[in-house]
Amino acid sequence: QSALTQPASVSGSPGQSITISCTGTSSDVGTYALVSWYQQHPGKAPKLMIFEVTKRPSGVSNRFSGSKSGNAAYLTISGLQAEDEADYYCCSYLSSRTLMFGGGTKLTVL
Amino acid sequence: EVQLVESGGGLIQPGGSLRLSCAASGFSVTNNFMTWVRQAPGKGLEWVSVIHTSGSTFYADSVKGRFTISRDNPKNTLYLQMNSLRAEDSAVYYCARDLLVGNYYFYAMDLWGQGTTVTVSS
Repeated sequence: QSALTQPASVSGSPGQSITISCTGTSSDVGTYALVSWYQQHPGKAPKLMIFEVTKRPSGVSNRFSGSKSGNAAYLTISGLQAEDEADYYCCSYLSSRTLMFGGGTKLTVL
Repeated sequence: EVQLVESGGGLIQPGGSLRLSCAASGFSVTNNFMTWVRQAPGKGLEWVSVIHTSGSTFYADSVKGRFTISRDNPKNTLYLQMNSLRAEDSAVYYCARDLLVGNYYFYAMDLWGQGTTVTVSS
């Protein structure tokens, strides 16, 4: 099974909003509400930003939000800040009790 | 302090074996789903394996039959035994804890170690 599809890169200016898409199939994103998003800064471990499509773990800024429509999930970051510059990965549950990550999106804050 | 610390990475020849360890503190690996995720140099994240609280284990197709996930309850440590290693297994390997709220697992990893590097090369 191929990785979930994410754009390779997105960019935005400070204060703007951006949205990263994560496209799967009816076998993963389209069926399960178990989509999560991770932020990874260079040389660091990933950090959980969103789980179960829309939920934020304690301590994650409310500038980060998640949504889903059909076979695609979305991560929106509002009020972009310099520290948001990082790689972002989506992840979906599969029916075989395994998980699959997207290819990752590099966010550049201009 | 709640944390995960991986160890055991290194340089290994193709076809060789290596066992990674992940020492947990501040919580029990037995009472949580525990996961291994890897990241090849310059590449994205790849889910590798999970062990459930029941002891059930699941693997990515790319490692099935070669890797074995396990845990040691008294040592509160997670392991990944890697056999028949290939060049494409070269990566930073992270262990992670799955998010648990009440009795429900969300198949999302809320605590990560710093990673340990495995290089498969002759």
